[in-house]
Amino acid sequence: DAGVIQSPRHEVTEMGQEVTLRCKLISGHNSLFWYRQTMMRGLELLIYFNNNVPIDDSGMPEDRFSAKMPNASFSTLKIQPSEPRDSAVYFCASSPRTGSTGELFFGEGSRLTVL
Amino acid sequence: EDQVTQSPEALRLQEGESSSLNCSYTVSGLRGLFWYRQDPGKGPEFLFTLYSAGEEKEKERLKATLTKKESFLHITAPKPEDSATYLCAVQAVGGTSYGKLTFGQGTILTVHP
Repeated sequence: DAGVIQSPRHEVTEMGQEVTLRCKLISGHNSLFWYRQTMMRGLELLIYFNNNVPIDDSGMPEDRFSAKMPNASFSTLKIQPSEPRDSAVYFCASSPRTGSTGELFFGEGSRLTVL
Repeated sequence: EDQVTQSPEALRLQEGESSSLNCSYTVSGLRGLFWYRQDPGKGPEFLFTLYSAGEEKEKERLKATLTKKESFLHITAPKPEDSATYLCAVQAVGGTSYGKLTFGQGTILTVHP
């Protein structure tokens, strides 16, 4: 299996532009998590889905952020409009259908820079 | 609110010099404590899950232990390839917290040859 696949790996954009980050889950996994990592705050959970349904979005910073899971294998995280403080590495992670081990499989991340 | 504090922030070791990393946690009810390894430019990689005080897990030169308030990651005779950031995370019991991990800031380990 190829693992969790994220795109783009790097994104540089200007303040006010729309940013869309993409994630493909591991086949058979039914939970999807979006995390953000910064030096100051570490890894923070933004939102997670079970069976395509958003369960907890309390970590989403504000209305500029939105996430969707249109099918069982794919998710997007959109920031509109983007701001410099959104600069971070955004990770997508999935976990298997059975069990609740907390073993997450992370992608390699999307590094976002907002100028 | 769940909290995880890791120490030290950074640790430099000589190859073969054993040491321990600490993870202190506060959680209303612990479902599990997890250790991850993160290499530069990569996503975190799962290492261990611990569920109850007294439990221990081992993998190569790493051993994780758990008490009611903290966890230790012991590194025995480390090698340069063990250099990475080690992250600790907790998962609380109940409700919609399933799968929701609260991470510590991590310990950056550097092992010199």
